[in-house]
Amino acid sequence: RKEVEQDPGPFNVPEGATVAFNCTYSNSASQSFFWYRQDCRKEPKLLMSVYSSGNEDGRFTAQLNRASQYISLLIRDSKLSDSATYLCVVKGAGGYQKVTFGTGTKLQVIP
Amino acid sequence: DGGITQSPKYLFRKEGQNVTLSCEQNLNHDAMYWYRQDPGQGLRLIYYSQIVNDFQKGDIAEGYSVSREKKESFPLTVTSAQKNPTAFYLCASSWWNNEQFFGPGTRLTVL
Repeated sequence: RKEVEQDPGPFNVPEGATVAFNCTYSNSASQSFFWYRQDCRKEPKLLMSVYSSGNEDGRFTAQLNRASQYISLLIRDSKLSDSATYLCVVKGAGGYQKVTFGTGTKLQVIP
Repeated sequence: DGGITQSPKYLFRKEGQNVTLSCEQNLNHDAMYWYRQDPGQGLRLIYYSQIVNDFQKGDIAEGYSVSREKKESFPLTVTSAQKNPTAFYLCASSWWNNEQFFGPGTRLTVL
């Protein structure tokens, strides 16, 4: 089983739709979780951290389910500019807290 | 402006040549990282450095070398021993064990 798994998509959704991505992780000792956004042929950019109680930033909501070992990202009222690949990132515990990147979920918002 | 810069943006290498990719940051971050990204794969860690004059191998260090003589700089050398060097190389920095911020990347192609 991969350390971090994401559905590669693509998710094709109309403007204004709500879309959700899940990401599962295998190490139950993982400590920190993030969502990054990566545009085509660009560097990943931090979208948001994921907190245990869940957190929201505008149209974006991130949640963590430790019992089932997954994190989710919900995007409401999708915009054309949301089209990108969304990377799930999981940080482990201990000395060097190893960071593992998922392969990403591609979102295409259609006019 | 604070940030991370990488140069060059595109690099072409002949087989058997060593090439060095530059990474500079003015964010005063302690830690710096090098990743490689291949199509359809997540980011893979090559090397990381917590402090000046210290660095550790990541998951795929073979065929690569680094130095950390200054806090701001973490150059990566791709040696001729790296069998499949064509990839997108990303440098990142962070406060130790916090979220990472990426430079714009260098696309290396072996001719």
